[in-house]
Amino acid sequence: GQNIDQPTEMTATEGAIVQINCTYQTSGFNGLFWYQQHAGEAPTFLSYNVLDGLEEKGRFSSFLSRSKGYSYLLLKELQMKDSASYLCAVRDGDYKLSFGAGTTVTVRA
Amino acid sequence: ETGVTQTPRHLVMGMTNKKSLKCEQHLGHNAMYWYKQSAKKPLELMFVYSLEERVENNSVPSRFSPECPNSSHLFLHLHTLQPEDSALYLCASSQVEGHTDTQYFGPGTRLTVL
Repeated sequence: GQNIDQPTEMTATEGAIVQINCTYQTSGFNGLFWYQQHAGEAPTFLSYNVLDGLEEKGRFSSFLSRSKGYSYLLLKELQMKDSASYLCAVRDGDYKLSFGAGTTVTVRA
Repeated sequence: ETGVTQTPRHLVMGMTNKKSLKCEQHLGHNAMYWYKQSAKKPLELMFVYSLEERVENNSVPSRFSPECPNSSHLFLHLHTLQPEDSALYLCASSQVEGHTDTQYFGPGTRLTVL
């Protein structure tokens, strides 16, 4: 089966940096996605990694190491609006995304 | 964001009712998906349609019946549900081309089964 692990909760202060780790063991690998989901809203796409290394998009960066089955999402200069759930998902087939349970990030003033 | 819309947003139904969830995508995508999201659990893929053909059915009970009449619309027909089926049902769409097909999600239907 697919196994995707990420921490349940994280808390950080406004303006700080938070790193959300994701480890995976899947039958196949065809890319890793990060989504942000605010309470009661749709998950929204943040980043996609298929090759090893760091992808930077403004305040958000995502890293992938395929040999280690590991990724992280880095959120810099945290803002209150970044309080949300962050979902790690692995594409392990033509259509299938397998998701982790999500990490709830709470940003405090 | 109105790329993927879902109706209704909230639904309360009894176990003997029949209802349908509707999803519409305005992105010109060729694949559509139904997911179930329960509290503190990972999103569970239920069904995938590509070019209006069902390509994935993840051992979903027959009380859930999908329908994809065209590439823009997806339905989930519900009948004789159980209380444990209460969850957020999310629809997504993507353009499957090569190795990259980012899925874009609708806002979901919050279903409560009494």
